[in-house]
Amino acid sequence: EAQVTQNPRYLITVTGKKLTVTCSQNMNHEYMSWYRQDPGLGLRQIYYSMNVEVTDKGDVPEGYKVSRKEKRNFPLILESPSPNQTSLYFCASRPGGNYGYTFGSGTRLTVV
Amino acid sequence: DAKTTQPPSMDCAEGRAANLPCNHSTISGNEYVYWYRQIHSQGPQYIIHGLKNNETNEMASLIITEDRKSSTLILPHATLRDTAVYYCIVTPPWAGGGADGLTFGKGTHLIIQP
Repeated sequence: EAQVTQNPRYLITVTGKKLTVTCSQNMNHEYMSWYRQDPGLGLRQIYYSMNVEVTDKGDVPEGYKVSRKEKRNFPLILESPSPNQTSLYFCASRPGGNYGYTFGSGTRLTVV
Repeated sequence: DAKTTQPPSMDCAEGRAANLPCNHSTISGNEYVYWYRQIHSQGPQYIIHGLKNNETNEMASLIITEDRKSSTLILPHATLRDTAVYYCIVTPPWAGGGADGLTFGKGTHLIIQP
């Protein structure tokens, strides 16, 4: 089944403890992206990648890192999480050209 | 990026057509209109997109006005499972601009009534 898989689905962590949220797609898509969703603020793009080793900042990149060493994987790294990064995170991918994104099921992160 | 304006909420009776409007008066000639929806806290789901012509797929139809300043997403026979937040998004060209450009606003909360 074509899908975007995020792990974990739920995570509670403490301030300052480095964490990685993994994202993998099995559709050979070129583009991948990370979003966060907060009440009243909607979906905001964190980082995106147009292909292997090509990444760029979205609207809210502060406090996050990404890497794209392989086409299928696009992990989101929080080097020193803070409570304001408590949010619902979505990974998404799409092929080149004018096609829509396929989203993952989300990761609900709580930083205490 | 061109901005979009959508009503915050709409109701529709089950079995009827749901027509969701979107205004994008500052759209550029090469920008596309995309529609996504999000059911509760699930990942958004792509529905349809278009440039200037009307489009139809198995989920919905997209009607874009001739001046491209507004569009309407039509769900022909709404069911309770269509209750969701619907996002209308206008994006720059995918190639060459260097920016991914997919920005979600507040959307329209569509409630299908039994």
